Amino acid sequence: IAGITQAPTSQILAAGRRMTLRCTQDMRHNAMYWYRQDLGLGLRLIHYSNTAGTTGKGEVPDGYSVSRANTDDFPLTLASAVPSQTSVYFCASSSTAGQPQHFGDGTRLSIL
Amino acid sequence: GQNIDQPTEMTATEGAIVQINCTYQTSGFNGLFWYQQHAGEAPTFLSYNVLDGLEEKGRFSSFLSRSKGYSYLLLKELQMKDSASYLCAVRDLSNNAGNMLTFGGGTRLMVKP
Repeated sequence: IAGITQAPTSQILAAGRRMTLRCTQDMRHNAMYWYRQDLGLGLRLIHYSNTAGTTGKGEVPDGYSVSRANTDDFPLTLASAVPSQTSVYFCASSSTAGQPQHFGDGTRLSIL
Repeated sequence: GQNIDQPTEMTATEGAIVQINCTYQTSGFNGLFWYQQHAGEAPTFLSYNVLDGLEEKGRFSSFLSRSKGYSYLLLKELQMKDSASYLCAVRDLSNNAGNMLTFGGGTRLMVKP
């Protein structure tokens, strides 16, 4: 079944550790996104990529980095995790920028 | 910047009609999206409005007034499975990320028997 796969589903991480959240889509969508969702704050855009080889900063990019080496994959890296990065992280994709987005099932990340 | 407002919570009765409002302030409006999100699950796309008027899709309809910065999502013949959060998102061409979406905080709808 076509869609977006995120891994891991959940993770508990010690502060200061490096962590990469994986996101893969098989819909050949050009645009991909990373959001974090926190209670009371809704979905906030971290980074985005309009097409393979390009990335851009969203609303809350600090502490996160992304890469887009090919169309299918869009990993999100926390170089040195801090407790404020405890959140649910959603990866999404759309055929092109601005079109309806399809979301992965999310990664629940806890930083202790 | 953008400001998107939705009620935090709403309660309605099974079989009834409910209207979830969303107001926004943006300088480069280029479309409004509604998503549904069940607890612990991913958001799923419901509707998209870029022109004024009503878009109907089965039991769900979405309305947009660009001059008023206002949209609503109308759910008819409510079912228990409609209990979820409903997210309003605006596409704004004037922000740094261009075509990206900015989401409101979501409205949690509880449907009671």
